[in-house]
Amino acid sequence: QPVLTQPPSASASLGASVTLTCTLNSGYSNYEVDWFQQRPGKGPRFVMRVGTGGIVGSKGDGIPDRFSVLGSGLNRDLTIENIQEEDEGDYHCGADHGSGGNYVYVFGAGTHVTVL
Amino acid sequence: QVQLVQSGAEVRKPGASVKVSCKSSGYTFTRYGVIWVRQAPGQGLEFMGWISGYSGNANYAQELQGRVTMTTDTSTSTAHMELRSLRSDDTAIYYCARGRRGAGVDYWGQGTLVTVSS
Repeated sequence: QPVLTQPPSASASLGASVTLTCTLNSGYSNYEVDWFQQRPGKGPRFVMRVGTGGIVGSKGDGIPDRFSVLGSGLNRDLTIENIQEEDEGDYHCGADHGSGGNYVYVFGAGTHVTVL
Repeated sequence: QVQLVQSGAEVRKPGASVKVSCKSSGYTFTRYGVIWVRQAPGQGLEFMGWISGYSGNANYAQELQGRVTMTTDTSTSTAHMELRSLRSDDTAIYYCARGRRGAGVDYWGQGTLVTVSS
């Protein structure tokens, strides 16, 4: 099954940009990945899904245009431009795998984003 | 609008069971599945299992096999997750989310805190 690797932390100054990486392990280069935002003390919120062609489907409800994705090779990146204080929190990526009784959904360890 | 509303917080003693419900609205329940995810304090997200809203077929994370059962009630568009033989390390926030195999997960419930303590 796929393994998703995320750096534990990232930071950016208010108004700057930050790119969060989610890297699939070898052999899963065709997989699509979901991104979720989790603000402090809140539950996860769907941001958008990304494949090698970029965004798949639509952004989640209320996700600003400042959020974008890029998929290349084994990387499924989320970029936040003009970062705001409300963007601080944890960002998780996830991917589904398998069918029938072997279906699993795997998550990366998450990246904590700090707005300086 | 799509909503998943979960039942309230629970406190259980070790060895007991807990059942969490997740009521869906704003979409056709049988066209999607529901995944269950938990998050222990200060930790990441852990997949627990998935159940089809159409067939009621479920599959569970290997680590929880034998202790977890997921069911659905299509008449009320509600999914349930029961976890048995609770241990202190089952203390976590439990989430349900709408999902479709091969198409990912989008809408989430608000979470249910389950505390296991003697």
